[in-house]
Amino acid sequence: EPEVTQTPSHQVTQMGQEVILRCVPISNHLYFYWYRQILGQKVEFLVSFYNNEISEKSEIFDDQFSVERPDGSNFTLKIRSTKLEDSAMYFCASCPADYTGELFFGEGSRLTVL
Amino acid sequence: GESVGLHLPTLSVQEGDNSIINCAYSNSASDYFIWYKQESGKGPQFIIDIRSNMDKRQGQRVTVLLNKTVKHLSLQIAATQPGDSAVYFCAERGDSGAGSYQLTFGKGTKLSVIP
Repeated sequence: EPEVTQTPSHQVTQMGQEVILRCVPISNHLYFYWYRQILGQKVEFLVSFYNNEISEKSEIFDDQFSVERPDGSNFTLKIRSTKLEDSAMYFCASCPADYTGELFFGEGSRLTVL
Repeated sequence: GESVGLHLPTLSVQEGDNSIINCAYSNSASDYFIWYKQESGKGPQFIIDIRSNMDKRQGQRVTVLLNKTVKHLSLQIAATQPGDSAVYFCAERGDSGAGSYQLTFGKGTKLSVIP
């Protein structure tokens, strides 16, 4: 069964460093998303991406964040100058072209900022 | 502001009993609702969905009920099994008009099944 894959599963970084989280969405999907979940809290929307551009972003997704689809398969989230409060699970999700509404989530990348 | 929330943060049930997990939403423009299951250390896993033009939908051992009058959503799990132990999130999609599939998640209810 096709699935969304994410790397790394866990990254530890020093405050102020840049991190890149990678995602390979399901191959025939056209909508891509990043969500964040701080430990013990709810899953929060960060950004949606379609047709090689951001279609929607939340208040969380400020200039510190950026997304890119550098090739036909990868979808990345870059976090510049990480802060302690960026520590969270980051989930990538994708959705097919048709209007099903169901998002398929990856297993997540845990980011720990020290 | 608009929000999605859950009535109970934790729920413990005996194996074999039925479980009911509740969710309140406040965005009357939401047209689509999903229940996700999240096991420890994993991403949210789709369980069942329902559109706003329906009031009930059944899957395998799960039923979702939607009461638009009181803006209430529930997930019923029949014959709960130990493998059902997880955190359950309701999520809604409102009419953002942007053509994206942004979901707003509730805080989650932790279901613990007692063998």
